Amino acid sequence: KNQVEQSPQSLIILEGKNCTLQCNYTVSPFSNLRWYKQDTGRGPVSLTIMTFSENTKSNGRYTATLDADTKQSSLHITASQLSDSASYICVVSGNFGNEKLTFGTGTRLTIIP
Amino acid sequence: NAGVTQTPKFRILKIGQSMTLQCAQDMNHNYMYWYRQDPGMGLKLIYYSVGAGITDKGEVPNGYNVSRSTTEDFPLRLELAAPSQTSVYFCASAEGGEGSYEQYFGPGTRLTVT
Repeated sequence: KNQVEQSPQSLIILEGKNCTLQCNYTVSPFSNLRWYKQDTGRGPVSLTIMTFSENTKSNGRYTATLDADTKQSSLHITASQLSDSASYICVVSGNFGNEKLTFGTGTRLTIIP
Repeated sequence: NAGVTQTPKFRILKIGQSMTLQCAQDMNHNYMYWYRQDPGMGLKLIYYSVGAGITDKGEVPNGYNVSRSTTEDFPLRLELAAPSQTSVYFCASAEGGEGSYEQYFGPGTRLTVT
């Protein structure tokens, strides 16, 4: 069964600190992996999309890594800001297009001043 | 561009009532999707459409219906609402359906069935 597991479930860090969120998946075959940011009460917003041939991709202070061999990804947030408080969702796509996306349950990140 | 818009933002339904959740996009995307997000769970695909006049079931279609008469609009119909349909519903659109096409999500509709 295709699954995406994220850890930790929740995380609290001080403003200005760095953090890393983890994603493990069992989706096969694999097409691409996405990280989304979801603010409370809003829809998810895409941060990065990586195919199997990419092992790192950045979007400002967000850097995602992908190891397709071990089926693991991480999202690193540098110099966190209060606005980074949100849920971060890992999503994996198989070879069947967007209608076969498998969503993780997310990591709830809280940044405290 | 407004992107993907959804109405209403909130709704409370009684068991057995029906309603339509509206979704519209102004990006001329062919692909549109309806998801539900339950607490502590990942988003689940209800229905999707690859273009006007074409719709298909996702992972959890029971109790829902959709139509796609125009490129812009993709309404989701709930017939005979049940408490199990209490959830947050998200509509999304994408330029393409394969590969790495980004999905753009609406702000969501929070539905409670009591």
